[in-house]
Amino acid sequence: DQQVKQNSPSLSVQEGRISILNCDYTNSMFDYFLWYKKYPAEGPTFLISISSIKDKNEDGRFTVFLNKSAKHLSLHIVPSQPGDSAVYFCAASGAGTYKYIFGTGTRLKVLA
Amino acid sequence: NAGVTQTPKFQVLKTGQSMTLQCAQDMNHNSMYWYRQDPGMGLRLIYYSASEGTTDKGEVPNGYNVSRLNKREFSLRLESAAPSQTSVYFCASRGTGEETQYFGPGTRLLVL
Repeated sequence: DQQVKQNSPSLSVQEGRISILNCDYTNSMFDYFLWYKKYPAEGPTFLISISSIKDKNEDGRFTVFLNKSAKHLSLHIVPSQPGDSAVYFCAASGAGTYKYIFGTGTRLKVLA
Repeated sequence: NAGVTQTPKFQVLKTGQSMTLQCAQDMNHNSMYWYRQDPGMGLRLIYYSASEGTTDKGEVPNGYNVSRLNKREFSLRLESAAPSQTSVYFCASRGTGEETQYFGPGTRLLVL
């Protein structure tokens, strides 16, 4: 049972436009959500996170939105740049746990 | 500051052989994790260690053992490798009170 789902395996966007990556979860006990970025042959690197007490968190070009009632979060990248081309994973954790559940990833390609 | 290091970077094994994947972190983090990444499956947690001296199973622990040798080091052992264990293995660590995990560069394992 996939508790964290990224239903789009890939996404292509023109440089300068907005990239929207989506993530759905099923476990209502999750209270912290993170996005990681992964380049080929490297480990994932942390990008941005959001706590369940918020519905939005911004960091420069990156914004994460959380809709708790829909159990849905999204990552917006504006404007998209070729260097943003990577695989993006969303992850979720529950209060008091040490475990993270990752989605299957979305490969973003930003076209110059 | 090296962060999280993993050895080896790449390994080829024959079915039935054993090996140990090494991981070390220099950030004084309490929690450490082992994941495997497979195409279309995202990152799946194999084992984790919330603190020195403790280990717990993740989503896919079968066929693996772990040792938290000290606060810095967390090793993953395959006692009898199987082709199904062909994967990229990532180690990660996390500090107390932090939500962000820091990942190593990965070990690519091929079991023939």
